[in-house]
This record gives sequence, structure tokens and C-alpha cells, in this order.
Amino acid sequence: DVKVTQSSRYLVKRTGEKVFLECVQDMDHENMFWYRQDPGLGLRLIYFSYDVKMKEKGDIPEGYSVSREKKERFSLILESASTNQTSMYLCASSTDRVTNYGYTFGSGTRLTVV
Amino acid sequence: AQSVTQPDIHITVSEGASLELRCNYSYGATPYLFWYVQSPGQGLQLLLKYFSGDTLVQGIKGFEAEFKRSQSSFNLRKPSVHWSDAAEYFCAVSGSTDKLIFGTGTRLQVFP
Repeated sequence: DVKVTQSSRYLVKRTGEKVFLECVQDMDHENMFWYRQDPGLGLRLIYFSYDVKMKEKGDIPEGYSVSREKKERFSLILESASTNQTSMYLCASSTDRVTNYGYTFGSGTRLTVV
Repeated sequence: AQSVTQPDIHITVSEGASLELRCNYSYGATPYLFWYVQSPGQGLQLLLKYFSGDTLVQGIKGFEAEFKRSQSSFNLRKPSVHWSDAAEYFCAVSGSTDKLIFGTGTRLQVFP
């Protein structure tokens, strides 16, 4: 069964900390995505990557960066965490440039910044 | 620009009743359309998808959806809801790129 694994289900961090959210997929997918989910706002795309070492900004990249050194791993970095980054973060992966099969999602990381 | 509207934030139905969740999209060409379900504390699971062909698509867990180009809609239906269907449902659209644009979701509550 294909899998997208997010390393933490729950995280609590302090304001100003540098935070790493890790995502690993075992499907050899080219494309990986980071979304944040907030009540009433649905899922909003932060960053995505179509290939190793490649990244593109999504709709809300401010305050975030990403790293994709290996095909299977896509990391989201909060350079200096702030309380407005408290949210559920979802990682997803897919194959092909055109979405034929939809995304496979991880279980999410609920981040609280205090 | 692509967009998705789910006009119902919260729907409540009785177990055994029929269900229809609404989804309207905005896209210039034929879109790729998806419905996902999210159980509490979980990631999203694909219910069904539409790319082309038959406008009535069947998915998992007894769900189906109908693509209506004239109405720019892709409504999700189920003839008889089970208590385990209580979750949040997201409609999504994709065009020529591989990015999915999601609606804001509809939370389904099921009463016994």
C-alpha cells in the first residue's frame, strides 16, 4: 500500500523557533506538495516540487521554505515560527504532471506555536 | 483562475437518509475533478475522480458524483448515509498543471 508519512502528528513549538516538518513518500512520485488547513479556509498550497532540488511557491509561501534533496523526502521549514502559523499541515504526493490519480496525503501534522 | 466553491459549510442528516454535497467550480476548459474525505485527525482520502467520459462516476464507500458542465457542478451523492460517513468532505479541481485547488470543505454530521 502506498504511503506518505509525516514524521510528527503533533508538535508544540515556541515563537521564534526554527521548525522542520518532514514528509516521506515510498511511491517514487515526482511531485510533492505542502498544504496548510485551517477551519473555514480549506486547504491552501504553501510550496510544491516537481523534481529533486526543485521547488515552486504556492499561494501562501510567506514565512515558509522547503527542501527537496532526495526524491522521496520533502521538508517544510518555518524559519521563525509565529502564532499565526498554528495550523494543520498536510503533505501530499502525486505522479505525472497531469493529475491522473489524485494526490496521496499524509495524516497531517498539527502544529501549535505558543 | 481555477476556483472551487462548496456552498454548504455544515450539513446534518439522519442515518439512512440520502445525501448530496454541492460543489461548483470555475475553469475555462474541461477540468479534472475530485472528491476527498477527511475523518477527524486524519489526512485526506480520495473518494472519486472525474477526467472524461461518463459524467456519473462511482467511488468508494458507496459514493457517486455527477459532472454537469452546463452548471459547472460536481455534486457528491450517497443514497443512504451511515454514521461512519460523518467527516469533512472536500471538492477539488485541477487543470493542465498538477496542482489541486480545494474548496473550503463541508462538514457532515450524521444523527442516529
